[in-house]
Amino acid sequence: KNEVEQSPQNLTAQEGEFITINCSYSVGISALHWLQQHPGGGIVSLFMLSSGKKKHGRLIATINIQEKHSSLHITASHPRDSAVYICAANFGNEKLTFGTGTRLTIIP
Amino acid sequence: NAGVMQNPRHLVRRRGQEARLRCSPMKGHSHVYWYRQLPEEGLKFMVYLQKENIIDESGMPKERFSAEFPKEGPSILRIQQVVRGDSAAYFCASSRGSSGANVLTFGAGSRLTVL
Repeated sequence: KNEVEQSPQNLTAQEGEFITINCSYSVGISALHWLQQHPGGGIVSLFMLSSGKKKHGRLIATINIQEKHSSLHITASHPRDSAVYICAANFGNEKLTFGTGTRLTIIP
Repeated sequence: NAGVMQNPRHLVRRRGQEARLRCSPMKGHSHVYWYRQLPEEGLKFMVYLQKENIIDESGMPKERFSAEFPKEGPSILRIQQVVRGDSAAYFCASSRGSSGANVLTFGAGSRLTVL
């Protein structure tokens, strides 16, 4: 069965802390997406990766194909990073399967 | 270069009415996806379309829901005879090619409330 699990469900941290959000999936994938959903509801695509590591500003995404695991890191976290972060997997087709999301709150 | 445009942003319908949600993909994108987010729940795939073709509708409820992406104009998600359980945010996304190899661009969503 194609499943995606995220942890933690909720994460509260102080401004400036290094943040890690984890995503595990059940079987082989063709790609993994990291999304950010703002408090207002809009969704922004952060990364799409199938191997290795990608970096954009203070955000870093890594994936380990053998361990079926991906992480999203945020360096020097800021209150504006507060959002729900969602990982989603392509299990060889176009039907993305989504994790339940991690609600991140950064306290000034 | 406008992103993915969805309208209406908010739609209120009474039970039994029809809801039509529209999505114009990003310029140059030929792949369109619809997702539903029920209150306090995660996103769920509904349907994947390319121009004039439904490629995968395995996430669509069997009745009352339909989608199209005509040769000209936006993609439309149509819900007939709406019920309270249809109240949700409906997101459209588009990509240049397969979502297995391309980043998705999401619209702002259409929030349907059924009274």
